[in-house]
Amino acid sequence: KQEVTQIPAALSVPEGENLVLNCSFTDSAIYNLQWFRQDPGKGLTSLLLIQSSQREQTSGRLNASLDKSSGRSTLYIAASQPGDSATYLCAVNTNAGKSTFGDGTTLTVKP
Amino acid sequence: DAGVIQSPRHEVTEMGQEVTLRCKPISGHNSLFWYRQTMMRGLELLIYFNNNVPIDDSGMPEDRFSAKMPNASFSTLKIQPSEPRDSAVYFCASSRTGGNSPLHFGNGTRLTVT
Repeated sequence: KQEVTQIPAALSVPEGENLVLNCSFTDSAIYNLQWFRQDPGKGLTSLLLIQSSQREQTSGRLNASLDKSSGRSTLYIAASQPGDSATYLCAVNTNAGKSTFGDGTTLTVKP
Repeated sequence: DAGVIQSPRHEVTEMGQEVTLRCKPISGHNSLFWYRQTMMRGLELLIYFNNNVPIDDSGMPEDRFSAKMPNASFSTLKIQPSEPRDSAVYFCASSRTGGNSPLHFGNGTRLTVT
């Protein structure tokens, strides 16, 4: 059974800092990995999706990497802003259609 | 693209009552998922459909829970009878099957059972 762990559970940084969120998974036979953002009281917004054959994906200030063999993914946020404050979740797809989610990292960026 | 649409946004009901949650997936998406989110358990997959057919309902907690997808643009999740421990946020998500299509979530239905 796939298990997904996100560390740290919470993170507080001053505005402007670069930061890294971590996601680890136990079954390396994945189909893809997706990073989401969730604001309080809202649904999940897709940020980046990395296919199993890819090493990284970039979107603006966000960069996600994937190392399947070690069961790890990281989400790098450059020049953090208060608007980045949210909970970030990673989801691992081990076959097309079924995702296992981590518990998320709650990020607070202080002005 | 209107996104995944869920209704109602909030539902407050008394224990024992029937609750029906509704979802309209993104047009063209042929996979639909129902998730439940609580502080204790995080995000749990309840059931998912592919081309309107239930593929995996192993996450449905009890027989009190049932889900249907009568056509490609509508799905329901029903709880009958509801219990206080069913209180949670229920999310619907959709994607295209195959390839590497991202999951798109609705804004959820916050259910409170008193």
